[in-house]
Amino acid sequence: DIQMTQSPSSLSASVGDRVTITCRASQSIGTYLNWYQQKPGKAPKLLIYVASSLQSGVPSRFSGSGSGTDFTLTISSLQPEDFATYYCQQTYSAPWTFGQGTKVEIK
Amino acid sequence: QVQLQQSGPGLVKPSQTLSLTCAISGDSVSSNSAAWNWIRQSPSRGLEWLGRTYYRSKWYNDYAESVKSRITINPDTSKNQFSLQLNSVTPEDTAVYYCTRGSYIYYDRSSFSFYFDYWGQGTLVTVSS
Repeated sequence: DIQMTQSPSSLSASVGDRVTITCRASQSIGTYLNWYQQKPGKAPKLLIYVASSLQSGVPSRFSGSGSGTDFTLTISSLQPEDFATYYCQQTYSAPWTFGQGTKVEIK
Repeated sequence: QVQLQQSGPGLVKPSQTLSLTCAISGDSVSSNSAAWNWIRQSPSRGLEWLGRTYYRSKWYNDYAESVKSRITINPDTSKNQFSLQLNSVTPEDTAVYYCTRGSYIYYDRSSFSFYFDYWGQGTLVTVSS
């Protein structure tokens, strides 16, 4: 199975901060990488697909980059509604695996 | 707008069968451009993909090796829904279970990617006597 490792596991940030979350795959996965946001008690929500494509309706402050084994999710200016847990997920080979999550908390 | 509505019991006894259903509106379980998945989430395992069913001229199923001997995912075209059955459950199967739609992007006839764009509301299933 492909292992997905996110860093950091958690971070504290203020409204308006630029936030960067990293995801590393245990082998090369091209751009077969999606990002999701999850708030407490809710299902995950798709933000970014194929590494850098913004899902319809998602604010443009979210962006994704990377290929191969190293990927980044960036929030350019953190908003109050962005405090949540973020997950990366690979779709290169089954089983489709997720990172362990990065919790973004209010500083 | 696609909606997925989950139903099923929240408590299952050890060794028994966990059964959940996901009703689809706004799309078809027989769609040639989607796959219908079950994913679970627990503090110990995180988000774990369990399996999927999809139609491409005929029906296909794929299952995670971790549950392959115990899982069945079935489509029901008459009700436009799909179901999950997980046999011989143990407390380790306690989790929030989600149904999801996998949407596909085709680059050519043999190259594609996908993402989970619609999710059910989640069902907390506790395995306990």
